[in-house]
Amino acid sequence: GAVVSQHPSWVICKSGTSVKIECRSLDFQATTMFWYRQFPKQSLMLMATSNEGSKATYEQGVEKDKFLINHASLTLSTLTVTSAHPEDSSFYICSARDATWTSGRGNEQFFGPGTRLTVL
Amino acid sequence: DAKTTQPPSMDCAEGRAANLPCNHSTISGNEYVYWYRQIHSQGPQYIIHGLKNNETNEMASLIITEDRKSSTLILPHATLRDTAVYYCIVFYRMGNQFYFGTGTSLTVIP
Repeated sequence: GAVVSQHPSWVICKSGTSVKIECRSLDFQATTMFWYRQFPKQSLMLMATSNEGSKATYEQGVEKDKFLINHASLTLSTLTVTSAHPEDSSFYICSARDATWTSGRGNEQFFGPGTRLTVL
Repeated sequence: DAKTTQPPSMDCAEGRAANLPCNHSTISGNEYVYWYRQIHSQGPQYIIHGLKNNETNEMASLIITEDRKSSTLILPHATLRDTAVYYCIVFYRMGNQFYFGTGTSLTVIP
């Protein structure tokens, strides 16, 4: 099946630093990728939709200057948490939509394993 | 915004069928029902989806009521590895975003 990877799987950083998280679709092309954030014991919250070659679309209440998203290729999207603070500590999950979703594979959106960010 | 309502938690005995309900009373005609599950500290895993007919795959069965306002995910023989949070999502397939609700935390008991 389609595989989405994230790197790193976990990261600890000091307050005020920036952290970059990568999301890759390993065996399919993804024109659209999505970034979610999940706090402990809560559901996934959609942060932004990332389209290859264009600017990301952010959900209401998500600061675009704080969470920089780049989708430079059909297999890679990056999320940069700028000037991270302890309240940004969370589990960040990406998903990728298979560009060939009409292929009958059944599911066209595949999730990565997540990245746990801890800001000290 | 999430358009689904699920019970917050359920228990199921190992080897028995787990029936997870979902209400989606505002679903429109072109919206699908998707089910994912999330095992602790992992990304969501696709289970099954359907539009109006009942569906079955190697993981589960999906029963959608005739009026499409609710559905039930059935895990026929629950195992301990099925302990997870199960999310029911309504999705406009020509659209894009998945909005997750609160999900049901299923605990399979030995």
